Amino acid sequence: NAGVTQTPKFRILKIGQSMTLQCAQDMNHNYMYWYRQDPGMGLKLIYYSVGAGITDKGEVPNGYNVSRSTTEDFPLRLELAAPSQTSVYFCASSQATSGNFNEQFFGPGTRLTVL
Amino acid sequence: DAKTTQPTSMDCAEGRAANLPCNHSTISGNEYVYWYRQIHSQGPQYIIHGLKNNETNEMASLIITEDRKSSTLILPHATLRDTAVYYCIVREYSGGGADGLTFGKGTHLIIQP
Repeated sequence: NAGVTQTPKFRILKIGQSMTLQCAQDMNHNYMYWYRQDPGMGLKLIYYSVGAGITDKGEVPNGYNVSRSTTEDFPLRLELAAPSQTSVYFCASSQATSGNFNEQFFGPGTRLTVL
Repeated sequence: DAKTTQPTSMDCAEGRAANLPCNHSTISGNEYVYWYRQIHSQGPQYIIHGLKNNETNEMASLIITEDRKSSTLILPHATLRDTAVYYCIVREYSGGGADGLTFGKGTHLIIQP
């Protein structure tokens, strides 16, 4: 298994440009997440999804959109890039369980700079 | 989710046990303590979790005080590869755990050769 993969690894955008950050997982996990991490800070949840066709906002959703048309893919869309969106973006996935825990598996991240 | 307090940074000598404290004095009865770590420039990685009993796995041990207001993550024989930011997270596990994790700033553990 490749686990959680993200593309691209790095990207520089100009203010006002748009782009899609790709995330895919091959573990057949129900749940997927997008986080952002600003320098020296912890991760903040942007959006999450409990299954194909279902998405919900996290702590910092403004300026982003997501879709979940398949179990495997969870792309994150930036419509009008702003310098405040300069960050490292992590995608994660986890499996729903009936137990007391579901471990989140993280991708390697996408480093985005908006100039 | 209950708030956690961790030291900003810690040093530990290679081969020694690294003890990372976490204060969570407002934890409620159904909230678990989770630990993740993030090695530089990588995504976070799960380490261990617990409710009230001490836990041990192949990576670490988790000691939770009887009143559950604090906990300690123990890496028994730290290596240079354990240098990372360690996050203590307290949250309720609710029916599948779909909602995301709340990461603070964590503790930057530096293992010294």
